[in-house]
Order: sequence, then structure tokens, then C-alpha cells
Amino acid sequence: DTEVTQTPKHLVMGMTNKKSLKCEQHMGHRAMYWYKQKAKKPPELMFVYSYEKLSINESVPSRFSPECPNSSLLNLHLHALQPEDSALYLCASSQDYRDSSYGANVLTFGAGSRLTVL
Amino acid sequence: GNSVTQMEGPVTLSEEAFLTINCTYTATGYPSLFWYVQYPGEGLQLLLKATKADDKGSNKGFEATYRKETTSFHLEKGSVQVSDSAVYFCALHYGNNRLAFGKGNQVVVIP
Repeated sequence: DTEVTQTPKHLVMGMTNKKSLKCEQHMGHRAMYWYKQKAKKPPELMFVYSYEKLSINESVPSRFSPECPNSSLLNLHLHALQPEDSALYLCASSQDYRDSSYGANVLTFGAGSRLTVL
Repeated sequence: GNSVTQMEGPVTLSEEAFLTINCTYTATGYPSLFWYVQYPGEGLQLLLKATKADDKGSNKGFEATYRKETTSFHLEKGSVQVSDSAVYFCALHYGNNRLAFGKGNQVVVIP
């Protein structure tokens, strides 16, 4: 299995709703990532988990709350979002997160969850 | 700092034409370089990579060579197909597995 699976594919929510995005991989990867991609822009890193611990938070607002229940799962909890948070949210994983002397650990991306905040 | 610059604007070309997308980078040291492709409505897929100077990455007829002297990693394909229509992102790896992406180029191949 060489895939990263994200659910739901599409999500529409109001500004007062609470929802979650889910990501799953069964490649034995120990690093997992959340990226945000606005239309016609490159992805922007939000969070990195390494060995189920939060390693990087790129100054993301607290209305986004990541969670890594185990090495295969990554969630992104959403609460009190703003319309400008509407975007494609991409999950990715890699074998490891720490720098490797053999070169970068390649990221495998999921298909994304397209979020619309009304 | 670490950054990637891709040529401006979409690229429109006819089927079987030659494709070049320019990518230059600024980095400390010698980072690994990547091309990712994003098909409509999908996430990013790794197209090819190169981890050191003079390496050539290749996949699905696409090629890119890591040129240290010109700090470039241009993407080329000799004969494009309609199915190659997508957005192409150049990226470099730096510090703790961060990726710096270029702005991306929309490629439209016309039959």
C-alpha cells in the first residue's frame, strides 16, 4: 500500500461548526504533515508530526488543531474557521522527518480535502 | 534563504511539442531538488528528484538535471501528451524535511 488516504474529499462548514479532516497511511512512515493550498498557489506547511509527536507548528492559528492518535493516522480538527480558511488541505507522509545523510525523505501526498467555509 | 523561482505564467502547447519549464533555486549547501505534478482536483505526486549536483532525475519521459553552476533544475519532456496537462511545482528540501515550493506552472496541452 503506497497511498495516503484523506477523508472527506469535500467539506462545507459554517463558521460556528466543528469538523475534522482525517488522513491515513499504511506505509510504515513515521512522519506526517499537514499542508494548506490556496487556489493557484503552492502548498504551505502547517504542521509536522514525527513519531506521533508534534515537531513543527508553522504559527498556525489555534482554530486548527492537529492530532496524531497513532503512527498511521493524522487528524486536523477545525473550529470557528473563517471564510479565508477555505482551501485544499493536503496530508503527506515520509519515512522519517529528521535530516538524512542519504538525501531528503520523499513526501507522499494524499489527494486532499477541499474545505469551503461559509 | 532557501527559495525556488519558476518561470511566470501558464504554458500552452500542442500535443507532441517539446516542453521546458525553468526552475532556479537559492539555497545554502546542496539541497535535494524535486519536481511535483498536480493533476486537476488531485494532490501532489512526486514526478522526479535529484539529490546531488549533475544527477539527472527522470520519470514518464520527463527529465531534469541538477546544475550546481547555474543553480537550476529545469524540467523537460520531448513530446507532450494531452494527459500531461497539470500544474508542475519545483521544490527544494531544506532543514528538517521542509520543502520550499516554486509558484507552479500550469501546463495545458492542446490536441
